Amino acid sequence: QKEVEQNSGPLSVPEGAIASLNCTYSDRGSQSFFWYRQYSGKSPELIMFIYSNGDKEDGRFTAQLNKASQYVSLLIRDSQPSDSATYLCAVKGRNFNKFYFGSGTKLNVKP
Amino acid sequence: DAGVIQSPRHEVTEMGQEVTLRCKPISGHDYLFWYRQTMMRGLELLIYFNNNVPIDDSGMPEDRFSAKMPNASFSTLKIQPSEPRDSAVYFCASSRILQGGVAETSIYFGEGSWLTVV
Repeated sequence: QKEVEQNSGPLSVPEGAIASLNCTYSDRGSQSFFWYRQYSGKSPELIMFIYSNGDKEDGRFTAQLNKASQYVSLLIRDSQPSDSATYLCAVKGRNFNKFYFGSGTKLNVKP
Repeated sequence: DAGVIQSPRHEVTEMGQEVTLRCKPISGHDYLFWYRQTMMRGLELLIYFNNNVPIDDSGMPEDRFSAKMPNASFSTLKIQPSEPRDSAVYFCASSRILQGGVAETSIYFGEGSWLTVV
């Protein structure tokens, strides 16, 4: 079992819609959760992080965490074509700097 | 502020040759990571350092791979001899512990070194 699981997609949504990206993790002791965006040919860049159960909002992005279900999600409201990228979920385990990455979900936002 | 700097950005080499990838972490960051990314396996952690000391190298695929961090501002990842299956993007990343030992920080990636072994 992989530490972090994501649906590889592609997930296609029309411009202006809400894109919902999901991630599950295996280690119940995981402490921190991150979403990275990676454009084709580029390096991953941090979008958001979340530590506590519930929702965290930052502009058009909302991260949701449910530790009981070991589930993390990212919602992108008013999706734009520029949001088209691969979104990587990352989980920091009990060991401080052991970051585990999912394989990423490819998002296509159609104009 | 300068980000994580990697070199070379692109390298094409023949099977059997030695490859050395270089990384300069963000100033003040005391953790350094080497990741490898392929379509098949995604992002894999190869090794990470804390204060120049290797902490976990369990992701290093085999003895052909080695990594060093002689000082806080420089690290290398070496592959000797290289094989076609080593073709991938190699990312270096860094992070730091915030004041008071609160380890709530993310990691920041360099632009990657695109390696092709033919």
